[in-house]
Amino acid sequence: DVKVTQSSRYLVKRTGEKVFLECVQDMDHENMFWYRQDPGLGLRLIYFSYDVKMKEKGDIPEGYSVSREKKERFSLILESASTNQTSMYLCASSWVNEQFFGPGTRLTVL
Amino acid sequence: GENVEQHPSTLSVQEGDSAVIKCTYSDSASNYFPWYKQELGKGPQLIIDIRSNVGEKKDQRIAVTLNKTAKHFSLHITETQPEDSAVYFCAASWEGSQGNLIFGKGTKLSVKP
Repeated sequence: DVKVTQSSRYLVKRTGEKVFLECVQDMDHENMFWYRQDPGLGLRLIYFSYDVKMKEKGDIPEGYSVSREKKERFSLILESASTNQTSMYLCASSWVNEQFFGPGTRLTVL
Repeated sequence: GENVEQHPSTLSVQEGDSAVIKCTYSDSASNYFPWYKQELGKGPQLIIDIRSNVGEKKDQRIAVTLNKTAKHFSLHITETQPEDSAVYFCAASWEGSQGNLIFGKGTKLSVKP
């Protein structure tokens, strides 16, 4: 079975902190994605990567950056966390069309 | 770019009844339409998908239909059970999307025993 793991299920940070969310997949997938999920807004794409060291902006990249140094790992970075970044963050990986999601990280920024 | 609209946003049914969730898409180039189910505390999981060369697909109690002319597709769940309660997302993708999916905003389905 494909497994996508995220480093934390729950995270509480303070405004202005630098936050790292880690995602690891074990199926050698080329593509990896970061979404945020908010009530009534569905899944919004932040960034995606289709290869090591490659990244593409999604619909809401402002305030975020990403890193993909190894094929299996895709990191989401909040350079200076703000309260409006409190959300559920979902990582996914895919080969061709089907995306496999991790369990999510619920981030609260105080 | 592609846009996917999903209705309704919430749906409540009695156990044993059928549930239907509808989505429309804007880009006629879209050719892959998956449906994801998200249970509480978990990430979304693919439950069924359909490609543009097929009009209908069934898997036990769930089915998806696609009308390319009208650009809409629907998820049908028959004989609903309490464990069907979840948030359902439709999505669309196209050739050369590099695995990108455009998601609808989701439907929260509640099945009452």
